[in-house]
Amino acid sequence: DQQVKQNSPSLSVQEGRISILNCDYTNSMFDYFLWYKKYPAEGPTFLISISSIKDKNEDGRFTVFLNKSAKHLSLHIVPSQPGDSAVYFCAASEETSGSRLTFGEGTQLTVNP
Amino acid sequence: DGGITQSPKYLFRKEGQNVTLSCEQNLNHDAMYWYRQDPGQGLRLIYYSQIVNDFQKGDIAEGYSVSREKKESFPLTVTSAQKNPTAFYLCASSIMWGIYNEQFFGPGTRLTVL
Repeated sequence: DQQVKQNSPSLSVQEGRISILNCDYTNSMFDYFLWYKKYPAEGPTFLISISSIKDKNEDGRFTVFLNKSAKHLSLHIVPSQPGDSAVYFCAASEETSGSRLTFGEGTQLTVNP
Repeated sequence: DGGITQSPKYLFRKEGQNVTLSCEQNLNHDAMYWYRQDPGQGLRLIYYSQIVNDFQKGDIAEGYSVSREKKESFPLTVTSAQKNPTAFYLCASSIMWGIYNEQFFGPGTRLTVL
């Protein structure tokens, strides 16, 4: 039972344009969501998070949007840079599970110069 | 420099051998985690430890064992009972157990069982 799904295995965008990475979830108890970025053969690094009481959180070029009714979140990167090329994972947790994170499968973003 | 170290980066073992993966953190974090990543899949939780001398099974604990005798160390043993051990293993830590605590990851160990 895949509770967090990233339906696009890959996304390719031009440098300077917007990248939009999507994530859907099925567990309505999830109330905290995170995005991680991962380069090959390295550990993921935390990018940005959002709690369920918000619908938007911004940090520089990165914005996460949460649509609770649709059980959907998205990560917007504006403007995209070649160094953003990586695998992006969304993850979710619920308060009763403490720190346990459920990860999506990841989306490979390629930003072309 | 504070962080999480995992060693070695690449590890090769023969089928049927147990192998222990090292994870050390100097962040003074209470909670630590082990994940496994397979191609095209997300990270799956193997074991976690909320605090020193405590650990619990995650979603895919069969064939693995851990210990947490020191706050900074959380080694993972992949036993011969693990049916498909070849994978990329990631260790993580967070300041404490509980929601809203971001997890920090180590660089990972790629284990190949021949």
